Amino acid sequence: AQSVTQPDIHITVSEGASLELRCNYSYGATPYLFWYVQSPGQGLQLLLKYFSGDTLVQGIKGFEAEFKRSQSSFNLRKPSVHWSDAAEYFCAVDYSGGYQKVTFGIGTKLQVIP
Amino acid sequence: DAGVTQSPTHLIKTRGQQVTLRCSPKSGHDTVSWYQQALGQGPQFIFQYYEEEERQRGNFPDRFSGHQFPNYSSELNVNALLLGDSALYLCASSSPVNTEAFFGQGTRLTVV
Repeated sequence: AQSVTQPDIHITVSEGASLELRCNYSYGATPYLFWYVQSPGQGLQLLLKYFSGDTLVQGIKGFEAEFKRSQSSFNLRKPSVHWSDAAEYFCAVDYSGGYQKVTFGIGTKLQVIP
Repeated sequence: DAGVTQSPTHLIKTRGQQVTLRCSPKSGHDTVSWYQQALGQGPQFIFQYYEEEERQRGNFPDRFSGHQFPNYSSELNVNALLLGDSALYLCASSSPVNTEAFFGQGTRLTVV
């Protein structure tokens, strides 16, 4: 079965520190890959997406992600975290060829401390 | 542009009842997908509607059904509610030319 793994359920970082959230997807044809962010009580906002081409993808709010086929990974990074980045982050994959049947990871909850 | 709108925002139902949730897609989008997000979990794909037909379905029982109207809006119906159906239900819209999905704020369903 197609799946996506986010090994870190909860991460705490200091404001201004760098951030990396891990994501691994099940081996197979390269899916469409996404990172979403969800603030408490809110819907999901797309941070960035990868379909093909350059493996380093830039997104909104200063986030970037790197697709590594050899590791089946799509890790999210940010060089300097702001307090407003505290939220839950979901990695997601679409194996349906872009028809938006998306499988989400369990999410990583980010806490930012001053 | 109003984006994806869902109604109601919150709902409380009794076990065994039926519920209908509504979604209006973003302007220009013709595809609507529904997701269930239980507490502490990632969203799970329920089904997707395109051209008023169910195009794809996730691993959900037949108690979950839907409909898409000619204006592309959609409804999610859940019959014989169980306590385990308590969740945030998210609607996402997309279009064939843009594989990015836009999500609504969700409907919080509580079954008591």
